[in-house]
Amino acid sequence: QVQLVQSGAEVKKPGASVKVSCKVSGYTLTELSMHWVRQAPGKGLEWMGGFDPEDGETIYAQKFQGRVTMTEDTSTDTAYMELSSLRSEDTAVYYCATGALYSRSFDYWGQGTLVTVSS
Amino acid sequence: QSALTQPASVSGSPGQSITISCTGTSSDVGGYNYVSWYQQHPGKAPKLMIYDVSNRPSGVSNRFSGSKSGNTASLTISGLQAEDEADYYCSSYTSSSILGVFGTGTKVTVL
Repeated sequence: QVQLVQSGAEVKKPGASVKVSCKVSGYTLTELSMHWVRQAPGKGLEWMGGFDPEDGETIYAQKFQGRVTMTEDTSTDTAYMELSSLRSEDTAVYYCATGALYSRSFDYWGQGTLVTVSS
Repeated sequence: QSALTQPASVSGSPGQSITISCTGTSSDVGGYNYVSWYQQHPGKAPKLMIYDVSNRPSGVSNRFSGSKSGNTASLTISGLQAEDEADYYCSSYTSSSILGVFGTGTKVTVL
């Protein structure tokens, strides 16, 4: 059973960056495809990007390209999502979500991290 | 990539069956058998209910079933229960990205 534990809530000013972590247990990161999904208050789910096992690269949604970086530390089985140039519209709950390496669904989810962008 | 289209709300009485639709295009829902469905209660993380169109993960009630016809996928909840009241989202693999699109979401109300 995979468990994902995310870092705590953050408050950031416009223009700043935020880095959210997601610690994996039960499996190693190399056995999984990690993705990040966000949900603005009262809104739906939005996929930000994730690992493509077909070519071994991380792919980002076009909307976030240039502002988001997703990395993994396999020594600690921790994934990270960093979003820069924050604006008020980035206020949202950020989730890490994963499945088996070639899974086409999000089998397991972190508890979510609220990022608030406010001056 | 546009979001998949779902009805904003669906309601039913306890014991009834309801169906939620998820409409996409031939580049996503219609082109692949990789549609999944998620249940989300308020303040909670989403939970996988159906994967690969019609498969249920271990532990998910058999009252939940999935299907697909053309560019539209469907989630049916039979024997509706109070605990089924939640938001539901579909998702599909797409030709332009990986697992890159969610549905607009449907609020299920148990009357």
